[in-house]
Amino acid sequence: QVQLQESGPGLVQPSQTLSLTCTVSGGSIYSGGDYWSWIRQHPGKGLEWIGHIYYSGSTSYNPSLKSRVSISVDTSKHQFSLRLTSLTAADTAVYYCARGGRLNPFDFWGQGTLVTVSS
Amino acid sequence: DIQLTQSPSFLSASVGDRVTITCRASQGISTYLAWYQQQPGKAPNLLIYAASTLQSGVPSRFSGSGSGTEFTLTISSLQPEDFATYYCQQFKDYLLTFGPGTKVDIK
Repeated sequence: QVQLQESGPGLVQPSQTLSLTCTVSGGSIYSGGDYWSWIRQHPGKGLEWIGHIYYSGSTSYNPSLKSRVSISVDTSKHQFSLRLTSLTAADTAVYYCARGGRLNPFDFWGQGTLVTVSS
Repeated sequence: DIQLTQSPSFLSASVGDRVTITCRASQGISTYLAWYQQQPGKAPNLLIYAASTLQSGVPSRFSGSGSGTEFTLTISSLQPEDFATYYCQQFKDYLLTFGPGTKVDIK
């Protein structure tokens, strides 16, 4: 059973950069065909896909965030990471990591981590 | 971008009721559609993928149908633990999108 766990700061100051890490256990992050995604949910709102990284290392991002986001993978640590720059209050949300992406549903999710952007 | 709409946005039903939620896509997505259940304070949980395939471990009272632009999620006999918000999601396009959600309230 694949398990995912997000880690990172719960509070970030405006204009700063958010860095979150997702640790994958119970399965290989380098399995053929797997996408690894970041998804966020603003308080009381719906779900927004941020982007994904393919097992090969290629990435795809939501155009609405593309100028500020990057996703990377560290296979030796079984982790993939999200970096989101120039934060504003509008980036306050619960951030989830999940397995899945284009042509693949999100079948395993982390528990989510609340990130608040505030001074 | 492929936009997804869901109807209704909210429904209140009794235990044992048959419940149907509709998801419509702004363009054809074949059967690249999934349904998720989200309990308050929890991560979404995959119920159905490929429009009609039940995810392992999901109760058989959940079923999905449709293709192209119109899809449905049916709960055949609503149980108290089904109080949740349900989202559809398309995974055909490079920009992955979710529907706005349907909140199911138990009467």
